[in-house]
Amino acid sequence: DTGVSQDPRHKITKRGQNVTFRCDPISEHNRLYWYRQTLGQGPEFLTYFQNEAQLEKSRLLSDRFSAERPKGSFSTLEIQRTEQGDSAMYLCASSSHPSDPDVETQYFGPGTRLLVL
Amino acid sequence: GNSVTQMEGPVTLSEEAFLTINCTYTATGYPSLFWYVQYPGEGLQLLLKATKADDKGSNKGFEATYRKETTSFHLEKGSVQVSDSAVYFCALCSGNQFYFGTGTSLTVIP
Repeated sequence: DTGVSQDPRHKITKRGQNVTFRCDPISEHNRLYWYRQTLGQGPEFLTYFQNEAQLEKSRLLSDRFSAERPKGSFSTLEIQRTEQGDSAMYLCASSSHPSDPDVETQYFGPGTRLLVL
Repeated sequence: GNSVTQMEGPVTLSEEAFLTINCTYTATGYPSLFWYVQYPGEGLQLLLKATKADDKGSNKGFEATYRKETTSFHLEKGSVQVSDSAVYFCALCSGNQFYFGTGTSLTVIP
């Protein structure tokens, strides 16, 4: 396993369209995180999963944003009715089991850059 | 609430100069603290971390000490190299949620 992967790496869409991004974490990791990063800013936490359970979603930006991790492996982030303000880099990260003392160390994927026209 | 404040950049240094990037935080409870680095064209990578007060994290010649009394986690390196040119992010973890600073861009010139 070479690390966290994300697909697609780039996405251009028109305002009002729906988009879905995929994240494949490091295989033995059971925590998975989604972030948004805009230009000149640090990553902004959106949500995270432990296995298939979504343990925190209050920081999703609006009800247009949703995430799933149905089998506890890969995850998808969907944005419905995209707006120009959604243009950003969407990052995924994973970390290991809660019993691991290193559980807070996250490994980031390369990100998906979204441009909404 | 939880937040991280980082020294604004960009920072430009000559090779072998001393580096300090300031980071202060506000947190409920006892967070863990991190420095992440993003090299040009690459994803975020963990540089170092500290999980409790007075811990010192270190890696690749970089160091940062968790100072509870000043709520700080300043990043230092005694002698920077051109290859250290990157964006550095300070972050905290509290209650399984992460908060990042805005990042500090460092350019090291030969």
